[in-house]
Amino acid sequence: EPEVTQTPSHQVTQMGQEVILRCVPISNHLYFYWYRQILGQKVEFLVSFYNNEISEKSEIFDDQFSVERPDGSNFTLKIRSTKLEDSAMYFCASSNRRDTYEQYFGPGTRLTVT
Amino acid sequence: AQRVTQPEKLLSVFKGAPVELKCNYSYSGSPELFWYVQYSRQRLQLLLRHISRESIKGFTADLNKGETSFHLKKPFAQEEDSAMYYCALKSDSGNTPLVFGKGTRLSVIA
Repeated sequence: EPEVTQTPSHQVTQMGQEVILRCVPISNHLYFYWYRQILGQKVEFLVSFYNNEISEKSEIFDDQFSVERPDGSNFTLKIRSTKLEDSAMYFCASSNRRDTYEQYFGPGTRLTVT
Repeated sequence: AQRVTQPEKLLSVFKGAPVELKCNYSYSGSPELFWYVQYSRQRLQLLLRHISRESIKGFTADLNKGETSFHLKKPFAQEEDSAMYYCALKSDSGNTPLVFGKGTRLSVIA
C-alpha cells in the first residue's frame, strides 16, 4: 500500500539556521498539507497546497515558512531562520478527491532547534 | 472558531472492559468528524469518520449534534487498542484542513 514518506526522521539545527523538511506524498494525490505538533500539544495545521500554490495557511505559517513542490514527487517545508519554538514534530499529509479528501499522514520529522 | 476538546489525556482500562473516549467540538456549521489513531512508533492513521457510519476494529462513534459530541466507543477493549487517539474536525467535505484535539492516550491493561 502506498504511503507518505518524510525525511529526515530527526533534524537537529541551531537557532537561526534554515531547515528544509522533505515529504514524498502518495503518487496520485493532488492535495498536500503540513501540520506540526509541539511536544505535549495538539497537532496543528500549517498549510495546504494544491495546483502549485498555497490553498490555505494558518497564523503559524508566517514569513519564515515556505512550501514548494520542486519536482513531481517532493513537497518541502522550509523554515528560513529557525527559532527555539519551532521545535516540534512536523507531519506531511496528502489527499485525493477520489478518497473524499481523506488525509494520509507521513511518519513525521522531529525538528529540534538548539 | 473551530475547536475540538478531548478532556482526558490518559484513559486506562482493563482488557475486556468497555471504552469511551470523549470528544466535544465547537463549530457553527456542519462539520465532518474523524477519529485518528497513532499506535506506538507508527504514523497517524484514520480510524473512522462519522459520515461512513461504520465500525472499525470494533470501534464506533456517533455524531450527536445536540451535544456537539463525537465520542469513540468500544464494548470490549483489547491490549492492541493501546494507542494515542485524536478526534478531528473538518469544516466541510472538501479540501479543508483538519482541526485536532489534544489526544487521549488509551492504555489497556491485561
